[in-house]
Formats: sequence, C-alpha cells, structure tokens
Amino acid sequence: AQSVTQLGSHVSVSEGALVLLRCNYSSSVPPYLFWYVQYPNQGLQLLLKYTSAATLVKGINGFEAEFKKSETSFHLTKPSAHMSDAAEYFCAVSDAGSKIIFGSGTRLSIRP
Amino acid sequence: NAGVTQTPKFQVLKTGQSMTLQCAQDMNHEYMSWYRQDPGMGLRLIHYSVGAGITDQGEVPNGYNVSRSTTEDFPLRLLSAAPSQTSVYFCASRDQGSGGEQYFGPGTRLTVT
Repeated sequence: AQSVTQLGSHVSVSEGALVLLRCNYSSSVPPYLFWYVQYPNQGLQLLLKYTSAATLVKGINGFEAEFKKSETSFHLTKPSAHMSDAAEYFCAVSDAGSKIIFGSGTRLSIRP
Repeated sequence: NAGVTQTPKFQVLKTGQSMTLQCAQDMNHEYMSWYRQDPGMGLRLIHYSVGAGITDQGEVPNGYNVSRSTTEDFPLRLLSAAPSQTSVYFCASRDQGSGGEQYFGPGTRLTVT
C-alpha cells in the first residue's frame, strides 16, 4: 500500500530565502505524486504533479519538485519565499489504482 | 461550472445523532472521494468511488457510509455521531486515471458535542 511521509510539521523561513519542504513516499508500483497547498480556511489547490514524464516538475507560483526514485523522494522547493507563500502544504501519492493518499502536511511560515 | 460543492458549510450535532453530508460535482468525473482533516494528521481518506454504483473503503471508514447512485452525487452518512468525528470534511473528484488532478470542495466543518 502506498504512503507518504512529510518531514517537519512546521517550517519557517525568511522572506527571500529558499523554501524546501520534504516528502518521501512508499509505493509498490511507479507512483503518481502531487503537491497541494491549502491557504487558511480554504480548500486544497494543486501546485504540481509528477506523472512519469520529466523528473523535475514545475508548478504554479514558482514552486517545483524533483522526483528521485533512488531516494523515494519528491521534495518541494522555491528559490525565494514570498509572504504570500505562507500556507499548509500536502504531499500525496497515487499508485495505479484510484486512491490518493495524503501526508500529514507541513505548515510554512514566512518571516519578514 | 460550479466544480465540487458541499453542504452544509457548518454543522453541530449531538452524540448519537445521524446526518448526511452532501457532495456534488458537475465535471462528469468518475472518481469521487471523502477525506477528513484533523490537525497534525493531514487528510485521511474515508471512502471513495470509481463510478456510479461502486464504492470502497479508505483509511478510516468506520462510522461512515457512502453510496453513489449517480455520477454527480456522493453523499457521506454519519450513522451515530461521536465526538471523535469532529473534523473538517472534504469531498473531491477527478477524472479517470491515476495522474488526474483532484478537485476539492470547500469543506464542511462538523462539531459533535
């Protein structure tokens, strides 16, 4: 069965600094991987997804993620944090079936 | 398109009461899912459906029932509410295919006293 582990329930960075949110997955078959963002009191919005094409995936708002099969990782990065990036971020995995399983989330805070 | 809609937005129940959370989508998506969101635990899959008449259990199905009589609707029933079911509930839908983007409803905040 697939699963997702997000390392760090809370990450705080300064405005303009690099954002790195970590995600490791477990799947018995080549996975599909997703990053979602949730702003306060809102639903979830897709940031980007990996579907076995390019291993470096670019998403919205300047975020990108790299699929590394050898490390079973799909970490999310952004070169320069903006105050508007403060939100909760969820990594998710889907195998060849129909379920999408989410990680426990990482809350990103941006310091002025 | 309205996307994925959920009603109600807020609900307070007493322990032992039953209720149905409504979810509808107008995108003709085959796959629909229900999640609950609790602090520090992310989103946990309750039940999901791959098409009308087909449902299956997710990670935390106990205490919940679902049915899928039409492509558009996927209601979630709480049989006998318990305080442990206090949570925010999200419905989601997506196209067939494991790589399809999942669209979420705005959520229902449920409190069980």
